[in-house]
Amino acid sequence: EDQVTQSPEALRLQEGESSSLNCSYTVSGLRGLFWYRQDPGKGPEFLFTLYSAGEEKEKERLKATLTKKESFLHITAPKPEDSATYLCAVQVGGPSSGSARQLTFGSGTQLTVLP
Amino acid sequence: NAGVTQTPKFQVLKTGQSMTLQCAQDMNHNSMYWYRQDPGMGLRLIYYSASEGTTDKGEVPNGYNVSRLNKREFSLRLESAAPSQTSVYFCASATVWNTEAFFGQGTRLTVV
Repeated sequence: EDQVTQSPEALRLQEGESSSLNCSYTVSGLRGLFWYRQDPGKGPEFLFTLYSAGEEKEKERLKATLTKKESFLHITAPKPEDSATYLCAVQVGGPSSGSARQLTFGSGTQLTVLP
Repeated sequence: NAGVTQTPKFQVLKTGQSMTLQCAQDMNHNSMYWYRQDPGMGLRLIYYSASEGTTDKGEVPNGYNVSRLNKREFSLRLESAAPSQTSVYFCASATVWNTEAFFGQGTRLTVV
């Protein structure tokens, strides 16, 4: 069974205090790993896609990395506006009908950045 | 450019009532999805549609039905609502390979 586990569940940082969020996964045949940001009362917003071990992607203060078993979302010098829930998802092979692929999501890390 | 639009945003149902959640996207995406989000359980896929005319079950399809009305619209129907279906429902759309899914704002459903 495909599993995605995110840690920690919640993280409080002071503004400027860098840290990392973890997403570990157990899947058969990873096609892609996705990071999303979700603000309260809103839908998830796409951040990154990683496809192979060793790949890295960056966007402003965020950097996502991927190994064969886990992904990290590094947050450098965070600001209060980075406060959100960060979701990780893996793309797995779907049924033979059509060519859509399902995403399996972790339960998220709720990040709070204090001024 | 509205992206993915869901209606309604909030709904309260009594046990046994039925309702349809509407979703429309204007990005010409082939694939559309319905998820539910519950505290501590992340997003779980209910149904998806790879392309117009096809639908498939996801992880938690029981108690739901879907219709891919055309390329733009994908609706989710609860035939007989139960308290266990209290949740936040999200519709999403993506290109064929689901490399970047766009989500709607969600429908917060309470079944009493």
